Amino acid sequence: EVQLVESGGGLVQSGRSLRLSCAASGFSFEDYDMHWVRQPPGKGLEWVSGISWKSGNIDYADSVKGRFTISRDNAKNSLYLQMNSLRVEDTALYYCAKAVTWGADFDYWGQGTLVTVSS
Amino acid sequence: SYELTQPLSESVALGQTASITCGGNNIANKNVHWYQQRPGQAPVVVIYRDSNRPSGIPERFSGSNSGDTATLTIRGAQAGDEADYYCQVWDSGTVLFGGGTKLTVL
Repeated sequence: EVQLVESGGGLVQSGRSLRLSCAASGFSFEDYDMHWVRQPPGKGLEWVSGISWKSGNIDYADSVKGRFTISRDNAKNSLYLQMNSLRVEDTALYYCAKAVTWGADFDYWGQGTLVTVSS
Repeated sequence: SYELTQPLSESVALGQTASITCGGNNIANKNVHWYQQRPGQAPVVVIYRDSNRPSGIPERFSGSNSGDTATLTIRGAQAGDEADYYCQVWDSGTVLFGGGTKLTVL
Protein backbone atom coordinates (compact mmCIF):
# COMPACT_ATOMS: atom_id res chain seq x y z
CA GLU A 1 0.00 0.00 0.00
CA VAL A 2 1.37 3.40 -1.01
CA GLN A 3 1.82 5.72 1.96
CA LEU A 4 3.05 9.29 2.06
CA VAL A 5 3.48 10.81 5.51
CA GLU A 6 4.36 14.47 5.85
CA SER A 7 5.96 16.02 8.93
CA GLY A 8 7.73 19.15 10.03
CA GLY A 9 4.88 21.63 9.98
CA GLY A 10 4.16 24.03 12.82
CA LEU A 11 3.84 27.63 13.90
CA VAL A 12 6.67 29.91 12.83
CA GLN A 13 7.24 33.64 12.70
CA SER A 14 7.43 35.52 9.47
CA GLY A 15 10.95 35.55 8.04
CA ARG A 16 11.98 32.29 9.71
CA SER A 17 12.61 28.87 8.17
CA LEU A 18 11.02 25.45 8.31
CA ARG A 19 11.86 22.10 6.74
CA LEU A 20 9.13 19.70 5.72
CA SER A 21 9.67 16.00 5.18
CA CYS A 22 7.65 13.33 3.42
CA ALA A 23 8.30 9.67 4.17
CA ALA A 24 7.26 7.35 1.34
CA SER A 25 6.55 3.64 1.44
CA GLY A 26 4.77 0.97 -0.56
CA PHE A 27 6.34 1.80 -3.91
CA SER A 28 9.74 2.20 -5.53
CA PHE A 29 10.33 5.81 -4.46
CA GLU A 30 13.45 6.25 -6.57
CA ASP A 31 11.49 5.62 -9.78
CA TYR A 32 8.90 8.38 -9.39
CA ASP A 33 8.68 12.15 -9.56
CA MET A 34 7.43 13.86 -6.43
CA HIS A 35 5.74 17.17 -5.71
CA TRP A 36 4.59 19.51 -2.97
CA VAL A 37 1.13 21.03 -3.23
CA ARG A 38 -0.33 23.40 -0.65
CA GLN A 39 -3.79 24.52 0.35
CA PRO A 40 -4.38 27.67 2.41
CA PRO A 41 -7.19 27.28 4.96
CA GLY A 42 -10.55 27.34 3.17
CA LYS A 43 -8.96 27.87 -0.25
CA GLY A 44 -7.95 25.89 -3.31
CA LEU A 45 -4.94 23.83 -4.27
CA GLU A 46 -1.68 25.48 -5.28
CA TRP A 47 1.28 23.57 -6.71
CA VAL A 48 4.52 24.51 -4.93
CA SER A 49 7.35 22.47 -6.41
CA GLY A 50 8.28 19.24 -8.14
CA ILE A 51 11.38 17.09 -8.46
CA SER A 52 12.01 14.29 -10.92
CA TRP A 53 13.08 10.81 -9.88
CA LYS A 54 16.81 11.48 -10.21
CA SER A 55 16.53 15.17 -9.30
CA GLY A 56 17.36 16.17 -12.87
CA ASN A 57 14.17 18.20 -13.22
CA ILE A 58 13.23 20.68 -10.50
CA ASP A 59 10.60 23.40 -10.79
CA TYR A 60 8.97 25.91 -8.48
CA ALA A 61 5.90 28.09 -8.47
CA ASP A 62 6.78 31.75 -8.93
CA SER A 63 5.36 32.48 -5.48
CA VAL A 64 8.09 30.44 -3.77
CA LYS A 65 10.99 30.64 -6.22
CA GLY A 66 14.17 31.74 -4.49
CA ARG A 67 12.80 30.99 -1.02
CA PHE A 68 11.92 27.28 -1.11
CA THR A 69 14.16 24.36 -2.06
CA ILE A 70 12.91 20.88 -2.88
CA SER A 71 15.16 17.85 -2.52
CA ARG A 72 14.96 14.11 -2.11
CA ASP A 73 16.98 11.26 -0.65
CA ASN A 74 16.18 8.11 -2.58
CA ALA A 75 18.17 5.99 -0.13
CA LYS A 76 15.87 7.15 2.66
CA ASN A 77 12.66 7.17 0.58
CA SER A 78 12.17 10.78 1.59
CA LEU A 79 11.16 14.07 0.03
CA TYR A 80 11.96 17.44 1.57
CA LEU A 81 10.96 21.07 1.29
CA GLN A 82 13.24 23.68 2.81
CA MET A 83 11.23 26.85 3.31
CA ASN A 84 13.12 30.06 4.02
CA SER A 85 11.97 33.66 4.45
CA LEU A 86 8.49 32.48 5.26
CA ARG A 87 5.58 34.86 4.77
CA VAL A 88 2.11 34.98 6.27
CA GLU A 89 0.72 34.01 2.86
CA ASP A 90 2.67 30.72 3.02
CA THR A 91 0.26 29.54 5.71
CA ALA A 92 -1.29 26.34 4.35
CA LEU A 93 -1.65 22.61 4.57
CA TYR A 94 1.28 21.18 2.64
CA TYR A 95 0.72 17.93 0.78
CA CYS A 96 3.33 15.58 -0.59
CA ALA A 97 2.15 13.98 -3.84
CA LYS A 98 3.46 11.21 -6.05
CA ALA A 99 3.33 11.76 -9.80
CA VAL A 100 2.74 9.08 -12.38
CA THR A 101 5.40 10.74 -14.49
CA TRP A 102 6.58 14.27 -15.25
CA GLY A 103 3.67 16.02 -16.87
CA ALA A 104 1.04 13.59 -15.61
CA ASP A 105 -1.38 13.46 -12.72
CA PHE A 106 -0.75 12.93 -9.01
CA ASP A 107 -1.93 9.45 -8.17
CA TYR A 108 -1.20 9.43 -4.44
CA TRP A 109 -1.28 12.17 -1.83
CA GLY A 110 -0.32 12.34 1.82
CA GLN A 111 -2.61 13.77 4.48
CA GLY A 112 -0.64 16.98 4.75
CA THR A 113 1.25 18.94 7.37
CA LEU A 114 0.06 22.36 8.50
CA VAL A 115 2.37 25.35 8.32
CA THR A 116 1.23 28.51 10.07
CA VAL A 117 3.25 31.68 9.64
CA SER A 118 2.53 34.48 12.06
CA SER A 119 3.41 38.12 11.72
CA SER B 1 0.30 32.95 -18.10
CA TYR B 2 -2.17 30.13 -18.58
CA GLU B 3 -5.31 30.18 -16.47
CA LEU B 4 -7.95 27.61 -15.62
CA THR B 5 -11.48 28.75 -14.86
CA GLN B 6 -13.98 26.71 -12.87
CA PRO B 7 -17.40 27.71 -11.53
CA LEU B 8 -17.33 28.27 -7.78
CA SER B 9 -20.27 25.95 -7.19
CA GLU B 10 -22.63 23.52 -8.84
CA SER B 11 -25.60 21.65 -7.48
CA VAL B 12 -27.25 18.43 -8.58
CA ALA B 13 -30.27 16.50 -7.43
CA LEU B 14 -29.65 13.08 -5.98
CA GLY B 15 -29.47 10.53 -8.80
CA GLN B 16 -29.13 13.14 -11.54
CA THR B 17 -26.15 14.15 -13.69
CA ALA B 18 -23.65 16.82 -12.68
CA SER B 19 -21.29 18.55 -15.06
CA ILE B 20 -18.30 20.55 -13.86
CA THR B 21 -16.39 22.61 -16.38
CA CYS B 22 -12.80 23.76 -16.57
CA GLY B 23 -12.06 26.51 -19.06
CA GLY B 24 -8.71 27.39 -20.59
CA ASN B 25 -7.35 28.68 -23.88
CA ASN B 26 -7.18 25.69 -26.26
CA ILE B 27 -7.33 23.37 -23.27
CA ALA B 28 -8.03 20.54 -25.71
CA ASN B 29 -4.28 20.61 -26.47
CA LYS B 30 -3.49 19.72 -22.87
CA ASN B 31 -4.02 16.68 -20.69
CA VAL B 32 -6.57 17.52 -18.02
CA HIS B 33 -6.74 15.70 -14.70
CA TRP B 34 -9.58 15.93 -12.17
CA TYR B 35 -9.40 15.55 -8.39
CA GLN B 36 -12.11 15.08 -5.81
CA GLN B 37 -11.52 16.47 -2.33
CA ARG B 38 -14.00 15.60 0.37
CA PRO B 39 -14.03 17.78 3.52
CA GLY B 40 -11.01 17.15 5.71
CA GLN B 41 -9.43 14.73 3.25
CA ALA B 42 -6.60 14.79 0.74
CA PRO B 43 -7.44 15.08 -2.98
CA VAL B 44 -8.04 11.91 -4.98
CA VAL B 45 -7.66 11.70 -8.75
CA VAL B 46 -10.95 10.68 -10.36
CA ILE B 47 -10.08 11.31 -14.03
CA TYR B 48 -6.62 11.49 -15.61
CA ARG B 49 -5.60 12.48 -19.13
CA ASP B 50 -9.00 13.92 -20.00
CA SER B 51 -11.14 10.80 -19.80
CA ASN B 52 -9.40 7.93 -18.03
CA ARG B 53 -10.68 6.52 -14.77
CA PRO B 54 -8.25 5.13 -12.17
CA SER B 55 -9.07 1.74 -10.73
CA GLY B 56 -11.56 2.04 -7.91
CA ILE B 57 -13.30 5.11 -9.33
CA PRO B 58 -16.92 4.36 -10.24
CA GLU B 59 -17.96 4.32 -13.89
CA ARG B 60 -20.34 7.16 -13.01
CA PHE B 61 -17.36 9.49 -13.35
CA SER B 62 -16.32 10.47 -16.86
CA GLY B 63 -14.40 13.27 -18.53
CA SER B 64 -14.12 15.01 -21.87
CA ASN B 65 -11.98 17.77 -23.33
CA SER B 66 -12.68 19.84 -26.40
CA GLY B 67 -11.91 23.35 -27.60
CA ASP B 68 -11.59 25.66 -24.63
CA THR B 69 -13.48 23.49 -22.12
CA ALA B 70 -12.84 20.27 -20.25
CA THR B 71 -15.77 18.68 -18.46
CA LEU B 72 -16.12 16.27 -15.57
CA THR B 73 -19.46 14.46 -15.63
CA ILE B 74 -20.93 12.56 -12.71
CA ARG B 75 -23.94 10.42 -13.57
CA GLY B 76 -26.37 9.23 -10.92
CA ALA B 77 -24.93 11.60 -8.32
CA GLN B 78 -24.79 10.24 -4.78
CA ALA B 79 -24.53 11.98 -1.44
CA GLY B 80 -20.91 10.84 -1.19
CA ASP B 81 -20.05 12.79 -4.35
CA GLU B 82 -20.54 16.05 -2.49
CA ALA B 83 -17.04 17.50 -2.51
CA ASP B 84 -14.72 20.05 -4.06
CA TYR B 85 -13.48 19.20 -7.54
CA TYR B 86 -10.30 20.57 -9.12
CA CYS B 87 -9.01 20.37 -12.66
CA GLN B 88 -5.25 20.34 -13.26
CA VAL B 89 -2.94 20.74 -16.23
CA TRP B 90 0.74 21.22 -16.91
CA ASP B 91 1.85 24.40 -18.65
CA SER B 92 5.41 25.41 -19.50
CA GLY B 93 6.85 22.91 -17.04
CA THR B 94 4.71 23.90 -14.09
CA VAL B 95 1.47 22.60 -12.62
CA LEU B 96 -1.74 24.59 -12.63
CA PHE B 97 -4.92 23.88 -10.69
CA GLY B 98 -8.30 25.38 -11.36
CA GLY B 99 -9.87 27.31 -8.52
CA GLY B 100 -12.14 24.41 -7.60
CA THR B 101 -15.87 23.76 -7.78
CA LYS B 102 -17.95 22.89 -4.76
CA LEU B 103 -20.52 20.27 -5.75
CA THR B 104 -23.65 20.09 -3.64
CA VAL B 105 -25.94 17.06 -3.92
CA LEU B 106 -29.50 18.05 -3.10
